[in-house]
Amino acid sequence: AQTVTQSQPEMSVQEAETVTLSCTYDTSENNYYLFWYKQPPSRQMILVIRQEAYKQQNATENRFSVNFQKAAKSFSLKISDSQLGDTAMYFCAFMKQGGSEKLVFGKGTKLTVNP
Amino acid sequence: DAGVTQSPTHLIKTRGQHVTLRCSPISGHKSVSWYQQVLGQGPQFIFQYYEKEERGRGNFPDRFSARQFPNYSSELNVNALLLGDSALYLCASNMGWANTEAFFGQGTRLTVV
Repeated sequence: AQTVTQSQPEMSVQEAETVTLSCTYDTSENNYYLFWYKQPPSRQMILVIRQEAYKQQNATENRFSVNFQKAAKSFSLKISDSQLGDTAMYFCAFMKQGGSEKLVFGKGTKLTVNP
Repeated sequence: DAGVTQSPTHLIKTRGQHVTLRCSPISGHKSVSWYQQVLGQGPQFIFQYYEKEERGRGNFPDRFSARQFPNYSSELNVNALLLGDSALYLCASNMGWANTEAFFGQGTRLTVV
């Protein structure tokens, strides 16, 4: 079974600064996907960024980038130039390639961006 | 285009009752998944349906059941409600089998009293 661990229950950052959220996972699979989802108070889960395990290059999406360390089973999210709208819960998630599209989520990190 | 829609948005039920939650996927999406998110936790996988067939099931009791209709909408049913079933129930849809980009609805907040 796969597990996802987010060791930072809460974090805060000043507007315009950079913050890194941590995620580690445990799996015996070689082919899988990793995700970061954002859940604002509106409750809707929004995909922030996705990483395929077979790709060595770290994914980037505008101000969001990841540091994927496959051997260490680590998948951190860096948010640059933080904005007030980035305030939300952030969930790291794992999906095994093939089989059902089951997402395994961590417990989340509550990020607050302060003005 | 409409996103994933779930109904109702909020619901209060009494222990022992039955509840049905509904989900309409994005047009063209054939796969629907259900997740339970207890307060302060990440979502937990309950079911996945693709082309009206169950493709995955999480570690939930038989009181939980689901189905998918020919138009790809889905229902999640929970019988004999317990206080511990109080949670946000999320529905996610994606285009098809082995497609990883899931789009979530805003969820149904179920409170069992």
